[in-house]
Amino acid sequence: QSALTQPPSASGSPGQSVTISCTGTSSDVGGYNYVSWYQQHPGKAPKLMIYDVSERPSGVPDRFSGSKSGNTASLTVSGLQAEDEADYYCSSYAGSNNLVFGGGTKLTVL
Amino acid sequence: QVQLVESGGGLVKPGGSLRLSCAASGFTFSDYYMSWIRQAPGKGLEWVSYISGSGTAINYTDSVKGRFTISRDNTENSLYLQMNSLRAEDTAVYYCARGADDLPLDYWGQGTLVTVSS
Repeated sequence: QSALTQPPSASGSPGQSVTISCTGTSSDVGGYNYVSWYQQHPGKAPKLMIYDVSERPSGVPDRFSGSKSGNTASLTVSGLQAEDEADYYCSSYAGSNNLVFGGGTKLTVL
Repeated sequence: QVQLVESGGGLVKPGGSLRLSCAASGFTFSDYYMSWIRQAPGKGLEWVSYISGSGTAINYTDSVKGRFTISRDNTENSLYLQMNSLRAEDTAVYYCARGADDLPLDYWGQGTLVTVSS
């Protein structure tokens, strides 16, 4: 199973919005509503930010939102804050009991 | 609160073996699927394996099939990963996480580093 495609980097100024894409195929992102997004600060474990395309776990700010169109999922961070600077990874169920991750996007808050 | 604590990482020679452990607390361990995910130095995340709460459903990513074995002890609230025939490309931080392929990985441990080198 191939990794999902994410842009290597994204950036925005404090208060702005930024959207990170995650492109797969009809066999993963497009075929199931099991897309998740994880935030990882340097040297730390990943943290679940979005699951099932657009659901937010308790405790995650509503500045974080998820969506999907066809084979591409997106994570939008609104009202950017300095602490949002991190790596972000998408994942998707890929059928046949497999899970695939994206290559990761480094979000920089300018 | 949910806690996952990995242990067992270290330096091992190619072809060697290592057993990772993950001690779980703060939830009913036997009710949840558990997974191992790894991250090579400077690289992205890669799902390795999952096991169902009862231990009857198991799956592995293709690159570790036949070499790695996932297991759990629900009486000890522990998850394991037996890694045999280790290769340089298995070098990574290994995380245990609650969840599986179609279930969100909602809690993660801090990770344990496995280095395969001669």
